[in-house]
Amino acid sequence: GAGVSQSPRYKVAKRGQDVALRCDPISGHVSLFWYQQALGQGPEFLTYFQNEAQLDKSGLPSDRFFAERPEGSVSTLKIQRTQQEDSAVYLCASSLAHSETQYFGPGTRLLVL
Amino acid sequence: DAKTTQPTSMDCAEGRAANLPCNHSTISGNEYVYWYRQIHSQGPQYIIHGLKNNETNEMASLIITEDRKSSTLILPHATLRDTAVYYCIVRDTGANSKLTFGKGITLSVRP
Repeated sequence: GAGVSQSPRYKVAKRGQDVALRCDPISGHVSLFWYQQALGQGPEFLTYFQNEAQLDKSGLPSDRFFAERPEGSVSTLKIQRTQQEDSAVYLCASSLAHSETQYFGPGTRLLVL
Repeated sequence: DAKTTQPTSMDCAEGRAANLPCNHSTISGNEYVYWYRQIHSQGPQYIIHGLKNNETNEMASLIITEDRKSSTLILPHATLRDTAVYYCIVRDTGANSKLTFGKGITLSVRP
């Protein structure tokens, strides 16, 4: 079956530009997670949704980062006024329920120049 | 911070078993051990998880010590495609069920 998909796969942004990254979770998966992976590091948690409710956003690095999942399915991670330190791979994962196994998408590689 | 420690890297010969160790001495009773791997430029791939019993699936086996303070992931017949970074993760499946990744172990399978 279809796995988690993310788009775009690659994004180049100029510093100060706003970007929006999309995640399509596995159909029927209630829980959705966003992670950020810097070069050479393991992924780090950003935020978590259960259906449309954002239950944990403790990992968002600044108020320039915003995530939403208005209908409890597709999610968008938005980064405003991008900075060079935002360059990373942004990974989305979904699970049937919050305690179940998370399945990851391929990630969006963001490069801020 | 990650609650696991893993060696930085290891290698094994193609066709041989790869045994990847992980220490998690502070694991608590309701925490599971999860293994993921990440092949270059891809998202992490789920391999296996367990609580206290040994587990086996089509990809690997997970051996957890009786005191639960360490575990070993076994790839029974490593292939070149198994070259990846392997992450051992201790996960609380309660309200905050995020995954906390460490640096992982880089497994290189040589021909």
